Amino acid sequence: EDQVTQSPEALRLQEGESSSLNCSYTVSGLRGLFWYRQDPGKGPEFLFTLYSAGEEKEKERLKATLTKKESFLHITAPKPEDSATYLCAVHAMNRDDKIIFGKGTRLHILP
Amino acid sequence: SQTIHQWPATLVQPVGSPLSLECTVEGTSNPNLYWYRQAAGRGLQLLFYSVGIGQISSEVPQNLSASRPQDRQFILSSKKLLLSDSGFYLCAWSVRLAGGRADTQYFGPGTRLTVL
Repeated sequence: EDQVTQSPEALRLQEGESSSLNCSYTVSGLRGLFWYRQDPGKGPEFLFTLYSAGEEKEKERLKATLTKKESFLHITAPKPEDSATYLCAVHAMNRDDKIIFGKGTRLHILP
Repeated sequence: SQTIHQWPATLVQPVGSPLSLECTVEGTSNPNLYWYRQAAGRGLQLLFYSVGIGQISSEVPQNLSASRPQDRQFILSSKKLLLSDSGFYLCAWSVRLAGGRADTQYFGPGTRLTVL
């Protein structure tokens, strides 16, 4: 069964304290892996799409990496405005146009 | 650029009342369209998706239905709401890419539905 698991469920960091969020997946074949940011009461905001193992993408303080079993979202020197829930989703080969979401990691950056 | 709209933003409805949520997309043609529900502490649950006008696939066959009367319009409906229908409803769109590449989905602002 296709699955996406995110860890940790919640993470509290001091401003400037770098860390990583994990997304592990089990799918029959990967078309792509997505990262989104979601603020309370708002729709998810697209961050990155990764297509193959070894691929990396960066945006400001965020960097996403992909292996054959998992993806990491690295946050370097975070600021309070980086506080949000980060969602990982996977598009599997056998799922037509549907993607599977993880439950997310709630990130809180303390000033 | 593409934009996606949802309305209303918030809705409070009594049990047993009907529901109609609307989603429209601008700046693209023939998008794939999706309805999700997000409950507290749970992930996004896909409810319906559509690859074209009048083409609806249901993932959760309960008291909800969806329709796509126009290319960039997607409507979520119910004849009689249940308490369990409360949640955050999200519409999303994507463009089908060639070669089987993954279709990035872009989300609307959402509708907060409370059923009392």
